[in-house]
Amino acid sequence: ETGVTQSPTHLIKTRGQQVTLRCSSQSGHNTVSWYQQALGQGPQFIFQYYREEENGRGNFPPRFSGLQFPNYSSELNVNALELDDSALYLCASSLASRTSNEQFFGPGTRLTVL
Amino acid sequence: GQQLNQSPQSMFIQEGEDVSMNCTSSSIFNTWLWYKQDPGEGPVLLIALYKAGELTSNGRLTAQFGITRKDSFLNISASIPSDVGIYFCAGQLGFGNTNAGKSTFGDGTTLTVKP
Repeated sequence: ETGVTQSPTHLIKTRGQQVTLRCSSQSGHNTVSWYQQALGQGPQFIFQYYREEENGRGNFPPRFSGLQFPNYSSELNVNALELDDSALYLCASSLASRTSNEQFFGPGTRLTVL
Repeated sequence: GQQLNQSPQSMFIQEGEDVSMNCTSSSIFNTWLWYKQDPGEGPVLLIALYKAGELTSNGRLTAQFGITRKDSFLNISASIPSDVGIYFCAGQLGFGNTNAGKSTFGDGTTLTVKP
């Protein structure tokens, strides 16, 4: 059973650019959530994808968008990057069920916006 | 929006000591999760709690789901150097595709263990 993987590990962009981050879910999981973690803070929920559709969004502007593919892998896209977008971006996968809310996180992508 | 307050913000303890940390919320959650995060890595799930009053252990770790559903506690017994890291609590509203995976996190408790 493979865990959650993310790519790239690190990324440096300049203000105004666009970025795409990628995530492969843990085997058997059908739900992917993305989080932004600023330095010294807990992760903040960006959005969740279930069966290739967005299923809930946190307090993030529309320039944060995503996709989920038939194999349950996912992308996070951020347009018009701002300096405050510098953070660790975490992907978490889970299996939507009536008895478990357990999420498993990937190692994250460290994004630096200059 | 919902906010979780974790305390203490940081702890410096001696190896072998017990540790207690807690998490409080202004609103109710139906699931509480505790994670540990090491530098440069994603959070790792330690314990999941699904029922008010529930007490669950995972080795030297014990967590409780508060009766009011607005708080949770994590205890670590006989700490060892590898317990060093940041501990996060997270709350979720429910099960299934509608709410699973939508976690609200606290800002963490940083634990330092001196040998």
